[in-house]
Amino acid sequence: GAVVSQHPSRVICKSGTSVKIECRSLDFQATTMFWYRQFPKQSLMLMATSNEGSKATYEQGVEKDKFLINHASLTLSTLTVTSAHPEDSSFYICSAGQPSYGYTFGSGTRLTVV
Amino acid sequence: AQKVTQAQTEISVVEKEDVTLDCVYETRDTTYYLFWYKQPPSGELVFLIRRNSFDEQNEISGRYSWNFQKSTSSFNFTITASQVVDSAVYFCALSANTGGFKTIFGAGTRLFVKA
Repeated sequence: GAVVSQHPSRVICKSGTSVKIECRSLDFQATTMFWYRQFPKQSLMLMATSNEGSKATYEQGVEKDKFLINHASLTLSTLTVTSAHPEDSSFYICSAGQPSYGYTFGSGTRLTVV
Repeated sequence: AQKVTQAQTEISVVEKEDVTLDCVYETRDTTYYLFWYKQPPSGELVFLIRRNSFDEQNEISGRYSWNFQKSTSSFNFTITASQVVDSAVYFCALSANTGGFKTIFGAGTRLFVKA
């Protein structure tokens, strides 16, 4: 089956620094990937749609300059949290696939900003 | 607009009881997909089922069953003879044509199964 690898699984960074999260489709090509954020005991909220070779599409209220998305190849999308602050601490998860076949989710990245 | 409502925030049952998790969705699209995912404490999302809008057949997989009713825009999930390992948060999700097939999640239902 389709496998999506997300790295790192956990990261702790200092306030003001940037953190990059990688999402890879291991056995299929993904022209579109999705990035979600989940705060404790809440649902997954879509942040942006990552499109290979073009700009990402951000959901309303998500700062594109703070959450930089790069989808440079058919198997890799990266999310960079720039100038991270404690309120950015969250669980970030990516997904890739097709609606007719289903979406595969990465294992998620737990970001803690101290 | 697309919307998924899981009215049950938390459910607590005793092992071996049956439990049904409700899901009501909203979309104006005729082509859409519905999903259920399980999220254990470790955080990863475990895919359970996908159903497209043209297939209203109910499905059974072991102790799990799903009831899709377009007339009431519902896609309910039943666990029969629940087990402690079923304890998790369960999300119902919708992916529709108009939204570019983005997946929209419900708020989730936290299920506690006590021994």
